[in-house]
Amino acid sequence: TQLLEQSPQFLSIQEGENLTVYCNSSSVFSSLQWYRQEPGEGPVLLVTVVTGGEVKKLKRLTFQFGDARKDSSLHITAAQPGDTGLYLCAGKDNDYKLSFGAGTTVTVRA
Amino acid sequence: EPEVTQTPSHQVTQMGQEVILRCVPISNHLYFYWYRQILGQKVEFLVSFYNNEISEKSEIFDDQFSVERPDGSNFTLKIRSTKLEDSAMYFCASSPRYGGGGNQPQHFGDGTRLSIL
Repeated sequence: TQLLEQSPQFLSIQEGENLTVYCNSSSVFSSLQWYRQEPGEGPVLLVTVVTGGEVKKLKRLTFQFGDARKDSSLHITAAQPGDTGLYLCAGKDNDYKLSFGAGTTVTVRA
Repeated sequence: EPEVTQTPSHQVTQMGQEVILRCVPISNHLYFYWYRQILGQKVEFLVSFYNNEISEKSEIFDDQFSVERPDGSNFTLKIRSTKLEDSAMYFCASSPRYGGGGNQPQHFGDGTRLSIL
């Protein structure tokens, strides 16, 4: 099982501020997926990154896959209270299973 | 938007009893998965399933666990004799196509909360 470390574990910011969540591993992944999970619900897919160095934007969210495909980051610009939630990264090391990080709990205060 | 549906949302079972968790994957998807999340811990892979057979399973997925696709729409996880430590959220996921360079994302249901007493 390949380990994914997410940091920080908790992040609390004021509305309008920017934030970055990191996802790191010593292993190479064929792809990496970011999910958001609300309490009592399943993970909801935000984005998949596949190519080393790839950058994907989803409105105010920017996702980057490291050149070596071992790490990724999620950057949120001008965070809003609606961005509050648990953000999970999950790496695919083969064609079947996902290995999840422990998640970053983001709280955006109004 | 198509979604993975799971039933029941909450299952309470006595230790030692059998339990079946049900999932309806997205209709044109071919690959099916079960994951679990013990309270306060990471989401963990249990098993993947394709073409009516298990593709991969984790060390958690021992002889007490089995999966089945009894018809064209349902995908089930059975735990034969439940233990206290089986208490967790169980998530079903599906993806449309194998591999493809890792481009095929997995879509998750909202889970079944299993409580073993």
